[in-house]
Amino acid sequence: QVQLQESGPGLVKPSQTLSLTCTVSGGSISSGGYYWSWIRQHPGKGLEWIGYIYYSGSTYYNPSLKSRVTISVDTSKNQFSLKLSSVTAADTAVYYCARAEGSSSRIDYWGQGTLVTVSS
Amino acid sequence: EIVLTQSPATLSLSPGERATLSCRASQSVSSYLAWYQQKPGQAPRLLIYDASNRATGIPARFSGSGSGTDFTLTISSLEPEDFAVYYCQQRSNWPSMYTFGQGTKLEIK
Repeated sequence: QVQLQESGPGLVKPSQTLSLTCTVSGGSISSGGYYWSWIRQHPGKGLEWIGYIYYSGSTYYNPSLKSRVTISVDTSKNQFSLKLSSVTAADTAVYYCARAEGSSSRIDYWGQGTLVTVSS
Repeated sequence: EIVLTQSPATLSLSPGERATLSCRASQSVSSYLAWYQQKPGQAPRLLIYDASNRATGIPARFSGSGSGTDFTLTISSLEPEDFAVYYCQQRSNWPSMYTFGQGTKLEIK
């Protein structure tokens, strides 16, 4: 059973960089066939896809966030990470890491989510 | 960017009734359409992928249909645990990205 767990600061100051890590267990990021993804949900709102990374390092980002987002992978630790720069209060959200299957529409495994608040 | 529009925004039904949720795409997504259930404080749970395939462990009362731009999630007979928010999601290849609908809240009448 694949499990994903987000970790990182729950509070970030405006203009700083939000950094989160997702640790994957029960499966290897290096096995291929999956897009390792970040998705966020503003309080009381819907879901927004941020971007994903393939084990090879190829990335795709939501055009609306592309200028501020970097997703990276560390296959030796079976982890992938999110950096979102120049944050504002509008970036306050629950951030989920998830696994998307490359050959279908499904996002089949999700982390529990972590709330990140942007405030001074 | 493909926009997904879900209707209705809120659906009020009683246990045992049939629920029909709609998702319309601004352009064709072929069959690359999935449905999720989300309860308060929880991550979304995959129900249906590729328009009509039930995910592992999902009860048979959940079914999906459609292709192109119009999709439907049907819950044949509502159980108390089915009252939640439901999202549709599409995956496009060019550009490679995912988008979600705004959600339908299924509430107890």
